[in-house]
Amino acid sequence: ETGVTQTPRHLVMGMTNKKSLKCEQHLGHNAMYWYKQSAKKPLELMFVYSLEERVENNSVPSRFSPECPNSSHLFLHLHTLQPEDSALYLCASSQVGSSGSTDTQYFGPGTRLTVL
Amino acid sequence: AQKITQTQPGMFVQEKEAVTLDCTYDTSDPSYGLFWYKQPSSGEMIFLIYQGSYDQQNATEGRYSLNFQKARKSANLVISASQLGDSAMYFCAISSAGNNRKLIWGLGTSLAVNP
Repeated sequence: ETGVTQTPRHLVMGMTNKKSLKCEQHLGHNAMYWYKQSAKKPLELMFVYSLEERVENNSVPSRFSPECPNSSHLFLHLHTLQPEDSALYLCASSQVGSSGSTDTQYFGPGTRLTVL
Repeated sequence: AQKITQTQPGMFVQEKEAVTLDCTYDTSDPSYGLFWYKQPSSGEMIFLIYQGSYDQQNATEGRYSLNFQKARKSANLVISASQLGDSAMYFCAISSAGNNRKLIWGLGTSLAVNP
């Protein structure tokens, strides 16, 4: 595998289900991100992990729970979701550099989530 | 607060011709980075090109070039010799030196390349 991979690619779940999205990066990066992409809205940053520590949490509802067990893996645990949570969930990774440098983020193919 | 504006919801271009996708930005940060990404219908966001605010020259990557006009706060993407595979959504994004992990995104431009 190369780059950033995400599984599953498609997921349909009911509002009472619990599921998890998985992301794995094969780029040797030290930061990982979850984004939500909804129609007609800009890409929304949900969580950032840098060196396995959560450094950004953009007011995401508690029904989304991230987990970063190591620098290569990132999970998004989902429970009691709402229909408005249906979206494309994108994972990304980057190499966090020195202060002031800009890291390029590399994305996976996304998980298309539908909540019924 | 930073903001990205992409005013063209949809664009058409003939195969082998050049096309310019517009991006204007707003920021109060003296140091920032500008990114362009391509998103085909498969969903993956593909990095295309990067321009730093202090870079003196416009960035180029193969058929992609960035027309950076700092005073106008614009960072337009130019795709030369369009190919059918260039049909996709194109997103412009900005990061700040204060938090270079946080990208602010535009709404995107849908590009269709006609044979």
